[in-house]
Amino acid sequence: GDSVTQMEGPVTLSEEAFLTINCTYTATGYPSLFWYVQYPGEGLQLLLKATKADDKGSNKGFEATYRKETTSFHLEKGSVQVSDSAVYFCALSITGGGNKLTFGTGTQLKVEL
Amino acid sequence: GAVVSQHPSRVICKSGTSVKIECRSLDFQATTMFWYRQFPKQSLMLMATSNEGSKATYEQGVEKDKFLINHASLTLSTLTVTSAHPEDSSFYICSARDGRQGRLSGNTIYFGEGSWLTVV
Repeated sequence: GDSVTQMEGPVTLSEEAFLTINCTYTATGYPSLFWYVQYPGEGLQLLLKATKADDKGSNKGFEATYRKETTSFHLEKGSVQVSDSAVYFCALSITGGGNKLTFGTGTQLKVEL
Repeated sequence: GAVVSQHPSRVICKSGTSVKIECRSLDFQATTMFWYRQFPKQSLMLMATSNEGSKATYEQGVEKDKFLINHASLTLSTLTVTSAHPEDSSFYICSARDGRQGRLSGNTIYFGEGSWLTVV
């Protein structure tokens, strides 16, 4: 079946540090890949997405590249801020799968001054 | 932008009682809503897909008689946990698909804030 594996947290970084959150997937079909973010007390929000191999999704300084050869979609940001503290979820959806999302476990990021 | 609201955000109930969680789309009509649950340190697991005006489609292993889903209008879906037990304690989160948009592109799905259920 389809699955998403992402690195366990919490990840604690100092402000302006470089961030990488690893995400790998297995899929029976041809997936679209997503990163969602959940800020404290709020719902999940789509952060970025990629729908085909070698696509790069980007938003708010975050980037992730769809790597079919390594079945990965790692999230990166060059310089994190305290306001980036949140839980980040990697997810996939199979084309034609009826909008169903398969999530990773989530990675909590804490950014300190 | 589109907002999905869940209520209550936290609920504590006694074992054996039933509890209802509401999921509302506030500024769009949601033809399809999804219910997920998440155990600590585990993934969000899809429980069921709720389509307005029809029966929900449950994922394998989810008891439909225990987790009653009603999607009676285009802006409201409810999840009722019947005869709740401590093992039902979990984080439940809904999402809604904006029916005005086209095929899946990822950004048509909006999530609620989630509801923490504790059964004592």
